[in-house]
Amino acid sequence: AQSVTQLDSQVPVFEEAPVELRCNYSSSVSVYLFWYVQYPNQGLQLLLKYLSGSTLVESINGFEAEFNKSQTSFHLRKPSVHISDTAEYFCAVTVPNDYKLSFGAGTTVTVRA
Amino acid sequence: DVKVTQSSRYLVKRTGEKVFLECVQDMDHENMFWYRQDPGLGLRLIYFSYDVKMKEKGDIPEGYSVSREKKERFSLILESASTNQTSMYLCASSFRDRGGETQYFGPGTRLLVL
Repeated sequence: AQSVTQLDSQVPVFEEAPVELRCNYSSSVSVYLFWYVQYPNQGLQLLLKYLSGSTLVESINGFEAEFNKSQTSFHLRKPSVHISDTAEYFCAVTVPNDYKLSFGAGTTVTVRA
Repeated sequence: DVKVTQSSRYLVKRTGEKVFLECVQDMDHENMFWYRQDPGLGLRLIYFSYDVKMKEKGDIPEGYSVSREKKERFSLILESASTNQTSMYLCASSFRDRGGETQYFGPGTRLLVL
């Protein structure tokens, strides 16, 4: 079975500074990887996903993640954060032909002015 | 726009009560899921359904049951609520058999069992 580990539970960051959220996965087969974001008092929204092809994937709001097969990682980055990026971020993994996701424990990002 | 709605945002129930959490999606998705979300544990799958009247246990099904009589509706039932079921409950839906397909989430129901 596949699993993910999010290495940081809390990440405080100043506005306009860069941020990196770390995610490592475990699987014996090829994987699909996802980052979801949960703003306060809301459900989860898809931020970006890696299925195949280019290892660098981008979201519309400036986040990007790079799939690294040798390091089994899918870290999320943003070069300059805004106050509105304050949220909890979840990494998730699945495998082809399986529609269930396995989620990490989440990383809470708090952006301060 | 995909919409997944949950019947309540907040619920307060007493120990031993039967609790129904309802979820409705409007995208004709085959798959529907119930998760619970607890601090430091992320999302854990309780049950999922891949078709009407079909269901499978997830990672933590004990103390819960589900019902899916119509494609768009998936209900989570706590037969006898206990304090350790105080949590945030999230419903999601997706297409069947497409591992890369996005799961769409509802806003969540925060349940407090006293």
